Amino acid sequence: KQEVTQIPAALSVPEGENLVLNCSFTDSAIYNLQWFRQDPGKGLTSLLLIQSSQREQTSGRLNASLDKSSGRSTLYIAASQPGDSATYLCAVGEGNTPLVFGKGTRLSVIA
Amino acid sequence: SAVISQKPSRDICQRGTSLTIQCQVDSQVTMMFWYRQQPGQSLTLIATANQGSEATYESGFVIDKFPISRPNLTFSTLTVSNMSPEDSSIYLCSVERQPNTEAFFGQGTRLTVV
Repeated sequence: KQEVTQIPAALSVPEGENLVLNCSFTDSAIYNLQWFRQDPGKGLTSLLLIQSSQREQTSGRLNASLDKSSGRSTLYIAASQPGDSATYLCAVGEGNTPLVFGKGTRLSVIA
Repeated sequence: SAVISQKPSRDICQRGTSLTIQCQVDSQVTMMFWYRQQPGQSLTLIATANQGSEATYESGFVIDKFPISRPNLTFSTLTVSNMSPEDSSIYLCSVERQPNTEAFFGQGTRLTVV
């Protein structure tokens, strides 16, 4: 059974710092991996989708990498801003089965 | 992307009553899902809403408690029946245009049962 782990559970950084969020999964036979952002009490916003054949995806200040063989993905946020404060979730797609979510990393960017 | 309208955004309900949550998508999608997120927890899949047939429920969730409708490719409802305080959660609708593609979520329904 696929398990997704996100470390750290919470992170607090000063504004302007570059940071990395980690996601690991136990079964490398994945179809894709997706990173989401969730603001308190709200729904999820899709940030980046990486297909299993890809190594990374970039959107603005965000860069997500995928190392399928080692069961790891990272989300890199450059020049963090207070508006980046949210919970970041990664989810693994295994093909024709529901997404498996990690528990998320709660990020606080301090002005 | 997909634009998803989920209603209501929040509600406070009396125990023993039922609440129906609506999910409307701006275009046809193949896959629609309903999730629950209990306080401080990650997402748990309730069921896959199948167009024109009964929903597929995950272990621990039953149709009598969480009846789901999906009359067409753009709309679905989830009802939380005979509510108790343990049902207080955020309920989320999610769609994928085609299987194994990018997933999009509604803004969630924050339910409090008193």
